[in-house]
Amino acid sequence: GAGVSQTPSNKVTEKGKYVELRCDPISGHTALYWYRQSLGQGPEFLIYFQGTGAADDSGLPNDRFFAVRPEGSVSTLKIQRTERGDSAVYLCASSLGLAGDTQYFGPGTRLTVL
Amino acid sequence: AQKVTQAQTEISVVEKEDVTLDCVYETRDTTYYLFWYKQPPSGELVFLIRRNSFDEQNEISGRYSWNFQKSTSSFNFTITASQVVDSAVYFCALRSSNTGNQFYFGTGTSLTVIP
Repeated sequence: GAGVSQTPSNKVTEKGKYVELRCDPISGHTALYWYRQSLGQGPEFLIYFQGTGAADDSGLPNDRFFAVRPEGSVSTLKIQRTERGDSAVYLCASSLGLAGDTQYFGPGTRLTVL
Repeated sequence: AQKVTQAQTEISVVEKEDVTLDCVYETRDTTYYLFWYKQPPSGELVFLIRRNSFDEQNEISGRYSWNFQKSTSSFNFTITASQVVDSAVYFCALRSSNTGNQFYFGTGTSLTVIP
């Protein structure tokens, strides 16, 4: 079956611009997660959705970051007024939404802010 | 606080050698879950294993084995007879029942298997 997909695979933008990153989870997975991975580091939690609602957004670094999942499936991570420090790989994962269940990751979107 | 430590940043071994990747975790919760993921050069995190805190049985899957010891808060990963295709970054992760659903990842161990 299809895994988690993310688009675009690469995104280059200029400082100050707005970007949207898309995640399409595994069919039937109610939980969706966004992580950010900087070079040489492990993934860092950003936000978690259960269905359409953001159950935990404690990892969002500031109010320039926002994510939605309007129909409980596809999610979009939105970054306003991008900064060079936002450059990283943004990973999306999905799971069945059960306690302690396994998260399955997408290939990520590499964001470069010039 | 939840924390995962992978003290080994980089490891190089010659093909067919055995190698153990260390993972030490911290949590105050009694119910938690431990995971290992592989991240090959392509970048996608590949799930390897999941363990809950009530199951300390070691597990073997082919050339892979895992040693979970609550007494030392460790969840180490051994690859037997390593192969070049095992070259990747390996991440250990912790998920606690009391901190929602987020994972806490270690910083990863980069394994290079030399032919």
